[in-house]
Amino acid sequence: GDSVTQMEGPVTLSEEACLTINCTYTATGYPSLFWYVQYPGEGLQLLLKATKADDKGSNKGFEATYRKETTSFHLEKGSVQVSDSAVYFCALALILTGGGNKLTFGTGTQLKVEL
Amino acid sequence: GAVVSQHPSWVICKSGTSVKIECRSLDFQATTMFWYRQFPKQSLMLMATSNEGSKATYEQGVEKDKFLINHASLTLSTLTVTSAHPEDSSFYICSAQAQYGYTFGSGTRLTVV
Repeated sequence: GDSVTQMEGPVTLSEEACLTINCTYTATGYPSLFWYVQYPGEGLQLLLKATKADDKGSNKGFEATYRKETTSFHLEKGSVQVSDSAVYFCALALILTGGGNKLTFGTGTQLKVEL
Repeated sequence: GAVVSQHPSWVICKSGTSVKIECRSLDFQATTMFWYRQFPKQSLMLMATSNEGSKATYEQGVEKDKFLINHASLTLSTLTVTSAHPEDSSFYICSAQAQYGYTFGSGTRLTVV
């Protein structure tokens, strides 16, 4: 079945350090890929997305490139801030046979950024 | 942008009682809404897909008689946890598919004591 695998956390970084959170996927078709962020006590917010191979999603300094050849969608940021501390979820969406689609999430990676 | 409002944000209830969680799309119509459950330090698990005017589609292993879903209008879906027990304590999140993607509610923290 379809699945998303993320690196385990927590990831602890110093402010202004570089961030990479790995995400790989398994899907039978051509999924859309997403990164969601969850701040403490809140619901999920879409961070960025990519809908086809070689697309690059970007937002708030975060980037991720849809790599079909390696089935990956790694999240990167060149310089993290304390305010980036949150849980990050990689997800994929496939169009279902009967119409509509469904999100499949990875297990989430907690990021802690310290001064 | 598309906004989903979820209430309550937290609730504490006694074991054996029922709790209703509401999910409203504020500025768009949502024919389909999704209900997720999140355990501590784990990912979101899809519980069911709620379709306006029809029965919900439950994922394997989810008790439909325990987690009642009603989607009576294009802007409101409700999840009722019936005869709640401490093991039902969790973070429940709804989601709706809007024009430009999925929008999530802020979640409901349910604690059953």
